[in-house]
Parts: sequence; C-alpha cells; structure tokens
Amino acid sequence: DAKTTQPTSMDCAEGRAANLPCNHSTISGNEYVYWYRQIHSQGPQYIIHGLKNNETNEMASLIITEDRKSSTLILPHATLRDTAVYYCIVRVQYNFNKFYFGSGTKLNVKP
Amino acid sequence: EAGVAQSPRYKIIEKRQSVAFWCNPISGHATLYWYQQILGQGPKLLIQFQNNGVVDDSQLPKDRFSAERLKGVDSTLKIQPAKLEDSAVYLCASSLISNEQFFGPGTRLTVL
Repeated sequence: DAKTTQPTSMDCAEGRAANLPCNHSTISGNEYVYWYRQIHSQGPQYIIHGLKNNETNEMASLIITEDRKSSTLILPHATLRDTAVYYCIVRVQYNFNKFYFGSGTKLNVKP
Repeated sequence: EAGVAQSPRYKIIEKRQSVAFWCNPISGHATLYWYQQILGQGPKLLIQFQNNGVVDDSQLPKDRFSAERLKGVDSTLKIQPAKLEDSAVYLCASSLISNEQFFGPGTRLTVL
C-alpha cells in the first residue's frame, strides 16, 4: 500500500520551476524518499532520493521538511520533455521492502 | 551501459491462452523485479528475485502467473491461462542489491 499522497495533476509553464509536493506523514526514521518519473510508454526512471538532508543532482532537487512528513521535488527549468507522471515513494534503503508506486502526479509542461 | 531489455514489446492474445515475457537485466544486477501496470495506475510489484531466489511474490496470482530466473540472470514471466483483467504493461526492473531500480521499456499485453 502506498504510504504517500500526491496531487493527481499539475501544470507548469515551460522554463519555469516545477514544484511537485508529496506527503508522507507516517514515514519511519530509516525510510528514504525516492522520486521516479514515467514518460508516456516508457518504464519509470529514477530521479533522486534522500533521507533528511536536501539533495540535488543534474535532474532535480529534493527538499525534505525538517519533520520529514513531506517533501518537494523541484525541476528548476521545466521543459516539454519533463511532461510525465512523477512518483514519490518511501522505503528503507538496502532492504527487500517493496517499492509502492501509488498513482503519482501527472505533470503537464505547457509552452 | 546496456539497459534492461524486454521482449516482446507488444502482445495480443485471446483469453485462456498462454503468454510468456522475457527480461534481461543490466549485467551484474543481482535483484530483478516484475511489475504489472494497469492503465492509469502506478506499477504494482508482482515478484522480486535476489539472484535466482524469490524474495517476495506475495502479489503474484500464483494460480495463473509463474516466474523464474534461471542462473540468476534472465527471467521469464508466464501467464496461463490469461484473463481479460491481465491486460496491462508488464515491466521488468533490476538493481544492485535492493536500491535504485532501472526499468525496461515494458511489454504491453492485450487480452481479448
């Protein structure tokens, strides 16, 4: 069962920052927050993950609140190719626990 | 680095027929996963292998679905007999240990 809550859909203008929220109020101390995205007709693609510190890589930034009950994925300059379904997942790292994908947020980047 | 390979990409069968999907994971990845993704939903884990042993198959409908991973590399997922509700995309993923997963393009199954 998914342990995260995400909005069903969001719109973003091309070139602007896309901020995708995720609530995970029941997260445990050893659970990481992962983000994946799925572009139409492709398999999901890993974006970023973190435990409690903010993380940044070449694709995105992950901001986790101090109480770790929510997080935000930031795509700093959204392009049309970022249109996809974005999944927020919490799980214990290096563990055989499942990835629960939920229904995700459909991000529509518009010109 | 080659990605996760899956075949076929598309398959159309009649209900009660059998079908098999093949997955070749990224070289060296010990963990292999099969997911089912019904239209409009997120992927649902069916079975997880660590090398050639099953770690989790709690969501696999064992009366009709089976999977194997011989020699801890390639894997096949079989449905016998297929039902209409099995229409979905079947995704294979692999990972080192049990961390970041790399997904294949999936096989789209249509059961008529």
